[in-house]
Amino acid sequence: DAKTTQPNSMESNEEEPVHLPCNHSTISGTDYIHWYRQLPSQGPEYVIHGLTSNVNNRMASLAIAEDRKSSTLILHRATLRDAAVYYCILGTNAGKSTFGDGTTLTVKP
Amino acid sequence: DTEVTQTPKHLVMGMTNKKSLKCEQHMGHRAMYWYKQKAKKPPELMFVYSYEKLSINESVPSRFSPECPNSSLLNLHLHALQPEDSALYLCASSQEEGTNSPLHFGNGTRLTVT
Repeated sequence: DAKTTQPNSMESNEEEPVHLPCNHSTISGTDYIHWYRQLPSQGPEYVIHGLTSNVNNRMASLAIAEDRKSSTLILHRATLRDAAVYYCILGTNAGKSTFGDGTTLTVKP
Repeated sequence: DTEVTQTPKHLVMGMTNKKSLKCEQHMGHRAMYWYKQKAKKPPELMFVYSYEKLSINESVPSRFSPECPNSSLLNLHLHALQPEDSALYLCASSQEEGTNSPLHFGNGTRLTVT
């Protein structure tokens, strides 16, 4: 599996945008970039995924660098409910990919 | 609430006990997964089932025995576990293995081995 690197932790203020970075310099041409988050005492939850183009859905946006060696998950207005561990993983099948240590996002009121 | 249901939510068992974890989904997904998650660590893949057949076993000790009786159900049979097996066990499903379809996780069974 290609490796991902994420900051251990980030902080945000409520109702402000949050940009969560992920580096994946060894990504292969067929690897999708998947983002999941895990709220306390829950299983991981799918957030978004993409291959080359930027992607938007109701939860977030995914910005993918032109060389695909990095990506950024964007939460447009953080709420307290967005406090979670965010995982960036690579692969053609997220189910067989390795989860890294993720980024713990703290949202301050 | 999630679309993947895991029971029980909590389980305490002794090292000589036999118990089973259950996972159920009714989304018509044909790939199902077991993960193990230790405290403050990411989930680790244990097993993958595709169309009710075991597709991947990530070198998991034989004291963990998976079973997929039908396309909606996934069990994990536990026998002679060790205290270090205490963890959150997560089940997930996706439309098919080998595609980029999202994983749907349950909320897990928190297992304590005494």
